[in-house]
Amino acid sequence: RKEVEQDPGPFNVPEGATVAFNCTYSNSASQSFFWYRQDCRKEPKLLMSVYSSGNEDGRFTAQLNRASQYISLLIRDSKLSDSATYLCVVGLNTDKLIFGTGTRLQVFP
Amino acid sequence: DAGVIQSPRHEVTEMGQEVTLRCKPISGHNSLFWYRQTMMRGLELLIYFNNNVPIDDSGMPEDRFSAKMPNASFSTLKIQPSEPRDSAVYFCASNPGTENTEAFFGQGTRLTVV
Repeated sequence: RKEVEQDPGPFNVPEGATVAFNCTYSNSASQSFFWYRQDCRKEPKLLMSVYSSGNEDGRFTAQLNRASQYISLLIRDSKLSDSATYLCVVGLNTDKLIFGTGTRLQVFP
Repeated sequence: DAGVIQSPRHEVTEMGQEVTLRCKPISGHNSLFWYRQTMMRGLELLIYFNNNVPIDDSGMPEDRFSAKMPNASFSTLKIQPSEPRDSAVYFCASNPGTENTEAFFGQGTRLTVV
């Protein structure tokens, strides 16, 4: 079983739609959680950290469920510029970060 | 800060040749990571260093791959001899080296082995 698993997609949604991605992780000792965004032919960049209590940043909401070992990302009111690959990232009790393979999102007009 | 700097940005080499990828982490960051990204396997952690010491190299695919960090501001990833299946984008990333902190990525080196 992979350490971090994501549905690769693609998710094709119209502008204005709400879309949600899930990610599961296998190591219960994981301590830190992030969502990164990667545009085509670019490096991954941090979108947001994920906290136990859940957190929101504008149209983006991240949730963590430690009991079920999954993380989610919700995007409301999708924009064309949201089209990218979203990477789920899990850190152990060190600074080692493990990336999922990513979920591709395509927002169309 | 200029961020994480990688060179070269693109490398095309013939099978059997030695390839050296270079990385300069963000100043003050204590941890450095080398990742490889392909369509099939996604982003794989190859090796990471903390305070210039290799901590985990379990992701290094085979003996043809080696990585060094002679000082806090420079690291290399070497492939010798290179093979076509090594073709990928290689990313270097760094972070401050404390728990629960994000990693900052360089722009990557796109390697093509023909």
